[in-house]
Amino acid sequence: EIVLTQSPGTLSLSPGERATLSCRASQTVSSNYFAWYQQKPGQAPRLLISGASTRATGIPDRFSGSGSGTDFTLTISRLEPEDFAVYYCQQYGSPPRYTFGQGTKLEIK
Amino acid sequence: QVQLQESGPGLVKPSGTLSLTCAVSGGSISSGYWWSWVRQPPGKGLEWIGEISHTGSTNYDPSLRSRVTISLDKSKNQFFLQLSTVTAADTAVYYCARNGDYVLEYWGQGTLITVSS
Repeated sequence: EIVLTQSPGTLSLSPGERATLSCRASQTVSSNYFAWYQQKPGQAPRLLISGASTRATGIPDRFSGSGSGTDFTLTISRLEPEDFAVYYCQQYGSPPRYTFGQGTKLEIK
Repeated sequence: QVQLQESGPGLVKPSGTLSLTCAVSGGSISSGYWWSWVRQPPGKGLEWIGEISHTGSTNYDPSLRSRVTISLDKSKNQFFLQLSTVTAADTAVYYCARNGDYVLEYWGQGTLITVSS
């Protein structure tokens, strides 16, 4: 089973700053099978990025995904107040079909 | 746009069976997609439980396979989760979701299930 490790666990930044979130896989993951989600308190996760770099419908272009192999990155270019949330990376494979990282909490500094 | 809504008992006794329903609207459960259940223990991360196709084929998380059954009812446009022999460790918010291309594209709002006597 592929394990996803996200860093940092918590990221404290101010609105307007740039956020860089990382996810490292224990084995190579196809970029096609890699995604990012955002989760706000009391809400379901929302798909942000699929295929490592393709924004989902309605996702602002300040969100971008990059990476390949075992190292993937989610970048938020200029933080808006509504971006402070928990972010999860996810990979798709043999059952368990979907595995997630432990999450990065993006908090207001 | 497809919408999903979970429903369940809220409270389940230890050693009992957890049963949840996911009602799908805005699209047909027979439309060719796979449909998943995911859970999230309080304050923790996301755990995929299993999935079912429109034809009834299933895949489960290996760690839960012995206790999980996912089924569907096309006539009601619903799919279901049963988790047997529950313990306090099964306390979580349970989400249903529609799979996309290697992602979980649409999610229900989630329902909290507490295992307690």
